[in-house]
Amino acid sequence: EDQVTQSPEALRLQEGESSSLNCSYTVSGLRGLFWYRQDPGKGPEFLFTLYSAGEEKEKERLKATLTKKESFLHITAPKPEDSATYLCAVQAQYSGSARQLTFGSGTQLTVLP
Amino acid sequence: DTGVSQDPRHKITKRGQNVTFRCDPISEHNRLYWYRQTLGQGPEFLTYFQNEAQLEKSRLLSDRFSAERPKGSFSTLEIQRTEQGDSAMYLCASSRKSGQGALLTYEQYFGPGTRLTVT
Repeated sequence: EDQVTQSPEALRLQEGESSSLNCSYTVSGLRGLFWYRQDPGKGPEFLFTLYSAGEEKEKERLKATLTKKESFLHITAPKPEDSATYLCAVQAQYSGSARQLTFGSGTQLTVLP
Repeated sequence: DTGVSQDPRHKITKRGQNVTFRCDPISEHNRLYWYRQTLGQGPEFLTYFQNEAQLEKSRLLSDRFSAERPKGSFSTLEIQRTEQGDSAMYLCASSRKSGQGALLTYEQYFGPGTRLTVT
């Protein structure tokens, strides 16, 4: 069974204090790993897709990296508006025709001014 | 705005009542998903449509749940005889192909969700 574990559950940073969020996964053949941002009371907002170990993608202050067992979301010099829950999800190679996502429980990030 | 839309955004109902939610996907996306999310957890897959065909259902989808996508466009999710355990955020997503060959995958874009509270 596919599993995704995110750590830490919650993270409080001062504005400008860089850090990383971790996503560990177990999947029967990885087709893709996805990062989403979710604000309270809203649906997840797509950030990145990573396909294979060694791949990196960047968007503003966010950089996502992928190894064979985990992914990291690095946040450089965060701002209060980066406060949100960050969700990691995997899509298995053999997930059937649905290609459904298996999500972790998320990391709730708070950036203090 | 051409994103995924859901209606209603909030629904409060009494236990035992039936409720129906609607999802309008991004127009060029032929794949549509329903997920359920409870507080502090990530979304969990419920069911999937390709065009009008419902191709997969999770074990989470009890007999009280039914979903349709009659013309391959919008979809509805109905919960009959609601229970307090059904209280959750119900999310709809639609997807398109991304990458190709061995890297082919389907990026899913989510709507704002319907927050259901069963009293």
